[in-house]
Amino acid sequence: GEDVEQSLFLSVREGDSSVINCTYTDSSSTYLYWYKQEPGAGLQLLTYIFSNMDMKQDQRLTVLLNKKDKHLSLRIADTQTGDSAIYFCAESIPDKLIFGTGTRLQVFP
Amino acid sequence: DSGVTQTPKHLITATGQRVTLRCSPRSGDLSVYWYQQSLDQGLQFLIQYYNGEERAKGNILERFSAQQFPDLHSELNLSSLELGDSALYFCASSVEGGTSYEQYFGPGTRLTVT
Repeated sequence: GEDVEQSLFLSVREGDSSVINCTYTDSSSTYLYWYKQEPGAGLQLLTYIFSNMDMKQDQRLTVLLNKKDKHLSLRIADTQTGDSAIYFCAESIPDKLIFGTGTRLQVFP
Repeated sequence: DSGVTQTPKHLITATGQRVTLRCSPRSGDLSVYWYQQSLDQGLQFLIQYYNGEERAKGNILERFSAQQFPDLHSELNLSSLELGDSALYFCASSVEGGTSYEQYFGPGTRLTVT
């Protein structure tokens, strides 16, 4: 089946690391994505990982993929107030993306 | 700015009416995707077009239809509108048609059905 789950909220202090988790169900997914949605805006692609990779690092972002457990995480180092947004993970299955419910990240000073 | 444009930004209409949402993909992108984002359903894939032809269908109601024109812009038509159709409608585009290609999202059209 197609189901992507995320926790709904995460609150972190500015300067700390944030870890947003996601579980997916379709083992045939070729790519897994992280998108960011700021209030009143569309989705912005942050990063993606190919399914045969375990980890991908892109500046402050680190994506970890555990294909056996179908678990994906996004770590944001040195979280800033500008990182406050909703973060969506998405899995690709032929011809479409299945999005998670989104995790609202709140960064407080 | 993703390079994907959508019009209008906001739309308020009554139940039973029909509306058309428009999307212009990024320059050079051949594929257009439509998504619906609502509070209760989350972000749902509706339909995809690639170079003028329908490529994939998701959870799109029969009251909804879409097309992609020769200049690659796309329109999403929503008819016999119901209160539950109130949502944000996003368009995304990518270079090719497969989901291995990055999708760039437009700012969305917020539809309110009263």
